[in-house]
Amino acid sequence: EIVLTQSPATLSLSPGERATLSCRASQNIDNNLAWYQQKPGQAPRLLIYDASTRATGIPARFSGSGFGTDFTLTISRLEPEDFAVYYCQQRYNLLTFGGGSKVEIK
Amino acid sequence: QLQLQESGPGLVKPSETLSLRCTVSGGSINTHYWSWIRQSPGKGLEWIANIYYAGGTYYNPSLKSRVTISVDSSNQFSLEVRSVTAADTAVYFCARATGRWREFEYWGQGMLVSVSS
Repeated sequence: EIVLTQSPATLSLSPGERATLSCRASQNIDNNLAWYQQKPGQAPRLLIYDASTRATGIPARFSGSGFGTDFTLTISRLEPEDFAVYYCQQRYNLLTFGGGSKVEIK
Repeated sequence: QLQLQESGPGLVKPSETLSLRCTVSGGSINTHYWSWIRQSPGKGLEWIANIYYAGGTYYNPSLKSRVTISVDSSNQFSLEVRSVTAADTAVYFCARATGRWREFEYWGQGMLVSVSS
């Protein structure tokens, strides 16, 4: 099973700041990675697929990068609605998720 | 706009079978792949199974022996988890995948199922 390790577990930032989240795969997954945002009591929302392609309706402040084993989700300037938990998911071999990174208000 | 809604018992006794249904509105099941995913404090998000309307089921190997996914009608699909234990307590989501082994673009709101006597 491919294990995805996300870091940091929690990121404390202020609105307007830049958020950088990491997802590391236990083996090569090429670009087969997606990112999701989840708010309390809601389902995850697809943000990015194929490592760097924004899903429909996702603002340009969200960007994804990486290939192989190391991936990054960047939120260029945090808006109040961006404080949430973020998950990565690989589809290279079956489907598995990372443990999540929480972006909280500082 | 596509919408998905989970339904079923919120409480199941240990050793019994958990049965959930997902109702799809604003679109048909007769396209795309449909999935079940669960989320628990202990294991985070866990993919359970995928199904394609024309046939083809795909399971998480860790659950395969206890799980069945099926299409019930043109707008409903279901999940069964047999011989449940407390470890199966989770929020269960149904979702539409963009392909057989792809990401999940539409999700239901989720339903908490507790396993307890």
